[in-house]
Amino acid sequence: QVQLQESGPGLVKPSQTLSLTCTVSGGSIRGGSYYWSWVRQPAGKGLEWIGRMYTSGAANYNPALRSRVSISGDTSKNQVSLNLTSVTAADTAVYFCARIVGSDWKDVTFDSWGQGTLVTVSS
Amino acid sequence: QSVLTQPPSASGTPGQRVTISCSGSSSNIGSNTVNWYLQFPGTAPKLLIYSNNQRPSGVPDRFSGSKSGTSASLAISGLQSEDEADYYCAAFDGNLNGPLFGGGTKLTVL
Repeated sequence: QVQLQESGPGLVKPSQTLSLTCTVSGGSIRGGSYYWSWVRQPAGKGLEWIGRMYTSGAANYNPALRSRVSISGDTSKNQVSLNLTSVTAADTAVYFCARIVGSDWKDVTFDSWGQGTLVTVSS
Repeated sequence: QSVLTQPPSASGTPGQRVTISCSGSSSNIGSNTVNWYLQFPGTAPKLLIYSNNQRPSGVPDRFSGSKSGTSASLAISGLQSEDEADYYCAAFDGNLNGPLFGGGTKLTVL
């Protein structure tokens, strides 16, 4: 059973870069047909897809965030990382790491999720 | 901008059947399958229905999904108090080139 665990700073200053890591256990980020994705949820609001990385390392992003976001993988640590630059208060949210099952670019079934980590953007 | 529209709230009494709708467009539901997730406060979402009407292992058959055209529905029969949660629909969206989530529906069991 795959498990995902997010980690990173809970507080980031405006204009700085938000960096989070998702540690995957029970499966390799380079094995199988999966996308490794990030989703965020502002307090009391709905879910927003940030981006995803395929097992090959190829990634695509939400157009609304594309200019500020990057997702990459570290196979030696079996981790997936999220970087979001030039953050503002609007980026305050719980950030989830999640796995999408499938190899087709239209596959969007999230079958496993991390518990989520709250990131607050404030000076 | 693409949107999946859900009612913000729904309610029912124990034992009742409740449905939650999800309305989209040709760029998402109209041409792709729909998934449903439930989320309890303070926890991560959990996959409830995939490919319009398929239940993952462990999901009770009280939960069912359907899709017609650019809309989808989640039905919960034999409502139980533990079904009280937020429910989200989701589908691939061609404009987003990725998954699009509905705004969520808060289900209250009266």
